[in-house]
Amino acid sequence: KNEVEQSPQNLTAQEGEFITINCSYSVGISALHWLQQHPGGGIVSLFMLSSGKKKHGRLIATINIQEKHSSLHITASHPRDSAVYICAVRMDSNYQLIWGAGTKLIIKP
Amino acid sequence: DAMVIQNPRYQVTQFGKPVTLSCSQTLNHNVMYWYQQKSSQAPKLLFHYYDKDFNNEADTPDNFQSRRPNTSFCFLDIRSPGLGDAAMYLCATSRDGTPRRYFGPGTRLTVT
Repeated sequence: KNEVEQSPQNLTAQEGEFITINCSYSVGISALHWLQQHPGGGIVSLFMLSSGKKKHGRLIATINIQEKHSSLHITASHPRDSAVYICAVRMDSNYQLIWGAGTKLIIKP
Repeated sequence: DAMVIQNPRYQVTQFGKPVTLSCSQTLNHNVMYWYQQKSSQAPKLLFHYYDKDFNNEADTPDNFQSRRPNTSFCFLDIRSPGLGDAAMYLCATSRDGTPRRYFGPGTRLTVT
């Protein structure tokens, strides 16, 4: 079992829909990252969370430390949101990031 | 704006011909990382520098080397690229004591 599990693996939605991507982890962490990667592109850090909730524009990220679960939400989705969204956790003990497999999101106009 | 810069964005090299990828940062972060990302896979950490201290991951091939001449710059040297080394190479930085990581745009390496 992977230490970081993302769901769904693939998600296709219509423009304007509310999107939720989930991340569960099984290790002790000091922080959880949500990252975005467009096809052929570099990685952009969207959020870093250690507790609670963060919001940036149409993006919202939440984390429940007790349940070891985080969600990334996109409101009023747009085709330009189409990308791979990756959850990665930083363990308590070292510099390593443990990466989820990513969720490929396609938003259709 | 403070940022992580990678040059070049696209690099084509021949099989066996040494190649160097560059990363620079204006964030004054003391930790710098190199990742390799192959198609549809998660990035894989190759090594990181904590200040001047080099930390190699156990499964990083000897073909990959790194240099950090100063705080701002870090280089990835691939001594004899093979076809299997074609990938996106990502540089990232962080400040000791904070988990936030800043990524560069990546260099896509093609080996012909």
